[in-house]
Amino acid sequence: EAGVAQSPRYKIIEKRQSVAFWCNPISGHATLYWYQQILGQGPKLLIQFQNNGVVDDSQLPKDRFSAERLKGVDSTLKIQPAKLEDSAVYLCASSQGAGGTQETQYFGPGTRLLVL
Amino acid sequence: AQSVSQHNHHVILSEAASLELGCNYSYGGTVNLFWYVQYPGQHLQLLLKYFSGDPLVKGIKGFEAEFIKSKFSFNLRKPSVQWSDTAEYFCAVNAGTNAGKSTFGDGTTLTVKP
Repeated sequence: EAGVAQSPRYKIIEKRQSVAFWCNPISGHATLYWYQQILGQGPKLLIQFQNNGVVDDSQLPKDRFSAERLKGVDSTLKIQPAKLEDSAVYLCASSQGAGGTQETQYFGPGTRLLVL
Repeated sequence: AQSVSQHNHHVILSEAASLELGCNYSYGGTVNLFWYVQYPGQHLQLLLKYFSGDPLVKGIKGFEAEFIKSKFSFNLRKPSVQWSDTAEYFCAVNAGTNAGKSTFGDGTTLTVKP
């Protein structure tokens, strides 16, 4: 089966610019996750969707980050405006069920963002 | 809030050496524990997981992990590493009753010298 797809793979922008990332989960997976992974750290959950509803966005900096999953399939994550500290790898993951605590998450290749 | 600590940031071993990577978590209730691996140039992928039952869990490629509840630990082991095990390893905990909110450790980079 095809894995989680993400684009672009790399992005370089200047601070205060906007950027958007796209994710297409594994077909049929109900739950989609966006993580931020800063160099030298583990992934940190930003937002979790079940179908097109938000399950958890407690760690999403809502003043500049937004995400949507309109049709319950693919998703976009946007940063507007970007700050230097947003430089990181943005990982998308999906899981088959309702996002329960025992579900295996399948990760995409990530988008590496550099903010200058 | 749950947290995960991985003691070693970088481990260097020779082939055939034994491996043990430490992982400790902080959460007082029932936890689900995972080890993920990221090989160079590849995606994060599941290595093994523990939910309940036998505290010694076996995963892919000869890896195993032992859940010790009294020590809040879930250490990863492999008796004899290979050069192809060179990768970054992440421990993750998922606790609570509803949302699958995983908390990851900061990872351990394993380098295996041929």
